Amino acid sequence: QVQLLESGGGVVQPGRSLRLSCAASGFTFDSYAMHWVRQAPGKGLEWVAVISDDGGHKNYGDSVMGRFTVSRDNSKSTLFLQMNSLRPADTAVYYCARGPGGTHFDNWGQGTLVTVSS
Amino acid sequence: SYELTQSPSVSVAPGQTARITCGGDNIGSKSVHWYQQKPGQAPILVIFDDSDRPSGIPERFSGSNSGNPATLTISRVEAGDEADYYCQMWDKRVDHYIFGPGTKVTVL
Repeated sequence: QVQLLESGGGVVQPGRSLRLSCAASGFTFDSYAMHWVRQAPGKGLEWVAVISDDGGHKNYGDSVMGRFTVSRDNSKSTLFLQMNSLRPADTAVYYCARGPGGTHFDNWGQGTLVTVSS
Repeated sequence: SYELTQSPSVSVAPGQTARITCGGDNIGSKSVHWYQQKPGQAPILVIFDDSDRPSGIPERFSGSNSGNPATLTISRVEAGDEADYYCQMWDKRVDHYIFGPGTKVTVL
C-alpha cells in the first residue's frame, strides 16, 4: 500500500532554515508528481509546492515563493522541502501528498509539525 | 487569485443526508475534489473529478458539479462521518492548487 512518511519538523527560530523529508513506498515514486501541503494550527489546508515526476517542473504558493525549495531524489523515493527565512506564519503541520493526474492529491502522509518561534 | 467558498458548518442527524457546497467563479467548468479530515488525522480524498470515488470510499459519498455550487453529498450519515470537509481545484492558469476554507460537519 502507498505510504508517505514525513520527517524533519521541529522548533526553529525566525529567520532560520529547516529541511523536511518525505519517504515514499508502495508505489512507483518516479511516476508521480508530489506536493507539500500545510495546515496552520486550527486553520484550513494550504498548498505549498509541487514537483513533477522527473523534477523538471516546480511551482510554489505565493506565501512561500522565493523562500522554499522543493526537490526529490527518485533513486531514494524521497521528497524534500528546503525552508529558508522561516517566519512565525510558517508554523504548521506539513504534509506530503501524491498528485496523480496533476489536479488533486490521492494519498497523504501523517504530517510533521514545524514551529517557528523565538 | 481564484477563491473557493464553503459554509462554515453543517449539522445533520444520523441517517439523514448532508450536503456540503463549494462555490467559485464558473466552478462548473472546473474539476472539483473533496477531502475529509478528522481531528488529528491527515486528510483523505473522498471524491475526485467532481463525482468519482476512490476505492474504499463508501457509496454514501457522492459529488456533483453541474453549476455553482459544486456539492458533496453524504447519504445515510453516520457518527463516523463527523469531520471537516474541504473542496479543492487546480487553477491551471497559474498552476496553483486552491482549497476551500472547509466545512465542519456535526452529527447530532
